[in-house]
Parts: sequence; structure tokens; C-alpha cells
Amino acid sequence: GAGVSQSPRYKVAKRGQDVALRCDPISGHVSLFWYQQALGQGPEFLTYFQNEAQLDKSGLPSDRFFAERPEGSVSTLKIQRTQQEDSAVYLCASSLDGGINCTFGSGTRLTVV
Amino acid sequence: QQPVQSPQAVILREGEDAVINCSSSKALYSVHWYRQKHGEAPVFLMILLKGGEQKGHEKISASFNEKKQQSSLYLTASQLSYSGTYFCGTGGGATNKLIFGTGTLLAVQP
Repeated sequence: GAGVSQSPRYKVAKRGQDVALRCDPISGHVSLFWYQQALGQGPEFLTYFQNEAQLDKSGLPSDRFFAERPEGSVSTLKIQRTQQEDSAVYLCASSLDGGINCTFGSGTRLTVV
Repeated sequence: QQPVQSPQAVILREGEDAVINCSSSKALYSVHWYRQKHGEAPVFLMILLKGGEQKGHEKISASFNEKKQQSSLYLTASQLSYSGTYFCGTGGGATNKLIFGTGTLLAVQP
């Protein structure tokens, strides 16, 4: 597609529920990033893929967070047993190679109630 | 160590100029500038890779002082479309991740 597509656009989850957020990067983009953006804050790095390899997951806040990109294109961010502090916008970004000129998706706004 | 941006917020009249600063406590290898409108995705503006480099994008330019670990974004003759939150992102290293700054909210009024 023309841009980075994320779904769902909005997700409301009950505390303790598992959620899965999807990212469709721009076709051919090797690098894929997940960021978490709390209200009024800048995006914070979660994890980075180069093709299907997860090269950096240092930003994942806990072992409840898991990300995959099995075929080097679509990526899924999964959050298990959601907590209220997980409420945020989750942004996906992709680039042709590396972190230069990343294109961001519009994000998934997760609200945990 | 999140880069610190200043000012936190600025209100301009159309046609006025503004400067947004980004300071890091760590050595900078690259500085990326993004603009984000409310409820939308951050949009890439430019990247600076070398010390002292200046780049331009329409009426928006930026400088990068590697020694001072600072970057500044210059907006000249501001337009209504410039409104949004501006973030600097510092990059470098093997994983290409960006560490975003604290953000500067810019509002341009008619």
C-alpha cells in the first residue's frame, strides 16, 4: 500500500484481556519499528525488526509484551493480561533500511478499562 | 536519556518565525525531526547526519551542532499548516531506534 496501515484504529480492552495489534508496513520496507506513545508524550521505542529478525526488543516494558514478524512483512504486537498502564497509542513505523526516513502509521489507540 | 526540547509550547501569528531547540546529554550521531498533528501519525521532516550540517525543507530548516549535542529547527514565515507538535529524535547505533524528545507544541494563528 501507499502507507503504513495499522489495525484496529481503536481498541478497548478489559483489564486482564489479551490484545493483538497489527501493522502492515510499506511493501519492500526492510525495517519495522513499534513505538508506544502516552498522552502528551513523545513516542517511546518498543522493538525493531529487520526483515523477520527481531534485532532489538529492549523497549518492551514487560514479558507481557510480545512482537513478531514471521514473514518479514506484516507484524503483530501482542499484549497479554492488559493493565491500565498499557493504555496508549501504539505506533508502527517502517523504512526501506534502517531508521532513516521512517513512515509512521496512524497508530492503534488502546484503552484498558 | 530523553532529549530535552525548548520551548515546550509556542504560539505564533501567521508569517512569524520560530526556533525549536533539542538538547541531548548523550553524543548525537543523527537527529531526526518529525511533526505530529493531533490524532495523526508523526510525519518525517528531515534528518541531519553530520555536525554543523544545515538542511532545508520548504521554509523549514535545521542545524546540528555535534559538539554541543544540540539541534535547532527553524520555521520561517509560518503557515497555519505548521501547527502541531514537533519532536526531535536522536538516532545512531546498531539498532536504528530513535529516542524522541519531550516535544514542542506549535500553534499558528491567523
